Amino acid sequence: QKEVEQNSGPLSVPEGAIASLNCTYSDRGSQSFFWYRQYSGKSPELIMFIYSNGDKEDGRFTAQLNKASQYVSLLIRDSQPSDSATYLCAVNSRAGGFKTIFGAGTRLFVKA
Amino acid sequence: GAVVSQHPSWVICKSGTSVKIECRSLDFQATTMFWYRQFPKQSLMLMATSNEGSKATYEQGVEKDKFLINHASLTLSTLTVTSAHPEDSSFYICSARDRLGGTDTQYFGPGTRLTVL
Repeated sequence: QKEVEQNSGPLSVPEGAIASLNCTYSDRGSQSFFWYRQYSGKSPELIMFIYSNGDKEDGRFTAQLNKASQYVSLLIRDSQPSDSATYLCAVNSRAGGFKTIFGAGTRLFVKA
Repeated sequence: GAVVSQHPSWVICKSGTSVKIECRSLDFQATTMFWYRQFPKQSLMLMATSNEGSKATYEQGVEKDKFLINHASLTLSTLTVTSAHPEDSSFYICSARDRLGGTDTQYFGPGTRLTVL
């Protein structure tokens, strides 16, 4: 089992719809969780981080964390073509010292 | 958010030469920086963890004598690709760990695209 798993996609949604990106992780000791966006040919850019169970909203983005289920998700409301990118889930674990584990990413296409 | 810069943004060199890439945290101090490599349409691959004032920790399969890492200050880490070959052509990305304010977050530099002829 991979430490951080994401569906590679591509996930295709129409403009204006809600895009739902999911991520599961294996280390129950994980403390903090991040979503990065990476456009083709560019480096990853931090979108959101979440530490506590529940929802965290920032503009059109909502991160959801469920530590019991070891599940974190990112919702993008009113999706725009400019949201088309690869979204990386990352998890910080204190096991064996500080370590950030990245998922392989989910490619999102928003169709105009 | 915190800002991380990389220089150069792209470089073309001849086979056998060495190339140095700089990574700087501009508005925070980073005791830990990371170096990644990414081939087209592939995932980020962690190469090494760079800790200020100590030797870097390399991931399995990464040659430490080929990819020299120096982290001499709290805001600067360098990666030197020694005796570069065409197979070293890739997108090299650094990130810096920001631990202040209760966060423990990695911020990425814009990346350096290396082409070895």
